[in-house]
Amino acid sequence: EVVLTQSPGTLSVSPGERATLSCRASQTVTNNDLAWYQQKRGQAPRLLIYGASSRAAGIPERFSGSGSGTDFTLTISGLESEDFAVYYCQQYGGSLFTFGQGTKLEI
Amino acid sequence: EVQLVESGGGLVQPGGSLRLSCEASGFDFNPYSMNWVRQAPGKGPEWLAYISGSSNTIYYAGSVRGRFTISRDNAKNSVFLEMYSLRDEDTAVYYCARRTRMIRGVISFYSMDVWGQGTTVTVSS
Repeated sequence: EVVLTQSPGTLSVSPGERATLSCRASQTVTNNDLAWYQQKRGQAPRLLIYGASSRAAGIPERFSGSGSGTDFTLTISGLESEDFAVYYCQQYGGSLFTFGQGTKLEI
Repeated sequence: EVQLVESGGGLVQPGGSLRLSCEASGFDFNPYSMNWVRQAPGKGPEWLAYISGSSNTIYYAGSVRGRFTISRDNAKNSVFLEMYSLRDEDTAVYYCARRTRMIRGVISFYSMDVWGQGTTVTVSS
């Protein structure tokens, strides 16, 4: 099973700044099939990025994903107040999904 | 509106059973594979089970294999999760989620693009 480790656990930034979140896999992610989700308190996760770098429908351009192999990054440029939430990475391989433990983005 | 609505959560004693339901609306349910995912308090999501559109293919996470059973009824646009031998550590919010397949070039990517609001399961004596 692929284990995903996210860092940092908590990231403190200010509105307008850029946030860089990391997700490291314990082994190579098949086809770089890595997604990112945003979750706000009391809500279900929301798909942001799939295939490591493609934005899901309706996701603003300030969200971008990059990386390959075992190291992936979610970058949020020009942070807005609504972006403060918890972010999870997720990989798909061998017909199974695994998630990271999350990075909390706070002011 | 594309929507998933879970129901069936509640308080159950250790060793007990529970059946969760998830009803889909706003999209053609039959072709889509569906998943159950749970999230314990303060933890990340944990994928539990997958079922294909035709129910021909089913997968489980190791943590629930043999105790949980996923099924679906396409005539009712619904997917179910039957849970047996529940333990304290099964306490969580349970979500159903639609699996989506996105294609870029010749490669398919899989994620979950539609989620329900979740139903809470508490296992406690």
